[in-house]
Amino acid sequence: NAGVTQTPKFRVLKTGQSMTLLCAQDMNHEYMYWYRQDPGMGLRLIHYSVGEGTTAKGEVPDGYNVSRLKKQNFLLGLESAAPSQTSVYFCASSDLDIGLDEQYFGPGTRLTVT
Amino acid sequence: GDSVTQMEGPVTLSEEAFLTINCTYTATGYPSLFWYVQYPGEGLQLLLKATKADDKGSNKGFEATYRKETTSFHLEKGSVQVSDSAVYFCALGGNTNAGKSTFGDGTTLTVKP
Repeated sequence: NAGVTQTPKFRVLKTGQSMTLLCAQDMNHEYMYWYRQDPGMGLRLIHYSVGEGTTAKGEVPDGYNVSRLKKQNFLLGLESAAPSQTSVYFCASSDLDIGLDEQYFGPGTRLTVT
Repeated sequence: GDSVTQMEGPVTLSEEAFLTINCTYTATGYPSLFWYVQYPGEGLQLLLKATKADDKGSNKGFEATYRKETTSFHLEKGSVQVSDSAVYFCALGGNTNAGKSTFGDGTTLTVKP
């Protein structure tokens, strides 16, 4: 099992450019999440999905869009990148049965917007 | 809403010292409780968990007990190693919050030889 994978690992964008981050999981999890992690601010939830074809807003959704067309994939899009979106982005997945709802994280994507 | 409060860091210890990182929570239900660890340049990974009151989670010498009466889940290790240097996150499971986990802000631990 590969677990949760993220592509790309690093990316540099200019202000106004767009890009898509891909997250894939092979554990058949229903739930998937996108977080951003900034120094001194812990993890902040951007968007999440409770199943194929569903998405929901998290704590900091502005400037991002997501799609979950296939159960195993969760895409995060930036339509017009801004320097404030410079961050490390983590994808995670989980089951939801009690005692099994730990989250499995990908290795992260380090994004710099200049 | 649900929340997690962790002991502020950074924490610096000498090798073989005793470690405690405090974690308290507020929750509307009875969620699972977790400690995650993040090594430099990596994603978070599960360190240990407890699913109900009085459960003790343990792994790699770390322990934490689910205390409902004090709403706490403090992380302890009797003798830390340099390799334990990392950021530690306390979290509530998403089972009682529409699938959304609640994370603390993280505590950075540095262990010096």
